[in-house]
Amino acid sequence: GQQLNQSPQSMFIQEGEDVSMNCTSSSIFNTWLWYKQDPGEGPVLLIALYKAGELTSNGRLTAQFGITRKDSFLNISASIPSDVGIYFCAGPSVYNQGGKLIFGQGTELSVKP
Amino acid sequence: AAGVIQSPRHLIKEKRETATLKCYPIPRHDTVYWYQQGPGQDPQFLISFYEKMQSDKGSIPDRFSAQQFSDYHSELNMSSLELGDSALYFCASSLDSDRGYTFGSGTRLTVV
Repeated sequence: GQQLNQSPQSMFIQEGEDVSMNCTSSSIFNTWLWYKQDPGEGPVLLIALYKAGELTSNGRLTAQFGITRKDSFLNISASIPSDVGIYFCAGPSVYNQGGKLIFGQGTELSVKP
Repeated sequence: AAGVIQSPRHLIKEKRETATLKCYPIPRHDTVYWYQQGPGQDPQFLISFYEKMQSDKGSIPDRFSAQQFSDYHSELNMSSLELGDSALYFCASSLDSDRGYTFGSGTRLTVV
């Protein structure tokens, strides 16, 4: 089945720094989604990307859908303590009608004030 | 705005007991998904329902079953619980899966 490889697994940064994480796949996705999950809570959708090459921003977050449709990155600028959490890339499986989401392994972000 | 409601938030059960988790999707969302997330893991797809019919099935043990009712709420039934079933269980709903899901806050199941 389809898989997403996300990196890095974890990041420790200073408040105010910029952050970048990415996701790759050996197969194409038609949609790329970026979620953030706080401890003990459900993932919350941050950005959705629908077209190859698309660059979308949501406040301090910017994400791009790779031209090959096999990769995506998420940038966070000027990080703040509340950015702490686990960030997942995800995409609906293209192999079935159920639309189940395939998740990356997650990037755990720690921000030092 | 209405969100996906899951109950209970926390559940403690003993081995070999049964558990029922409930999910109330966002109104007018026609698809419900169940995911299991172990500690430090990404969410793993269990099962989904579209218009009350099972639409896809993932790594769901035979001890688990689920259904979606006429009011679109869904229940995940787990029997003969094992220690390894301890995890966060998320329900999500969508109107168009390509537009992303909305997840509930999850049920933390602890089997002792």
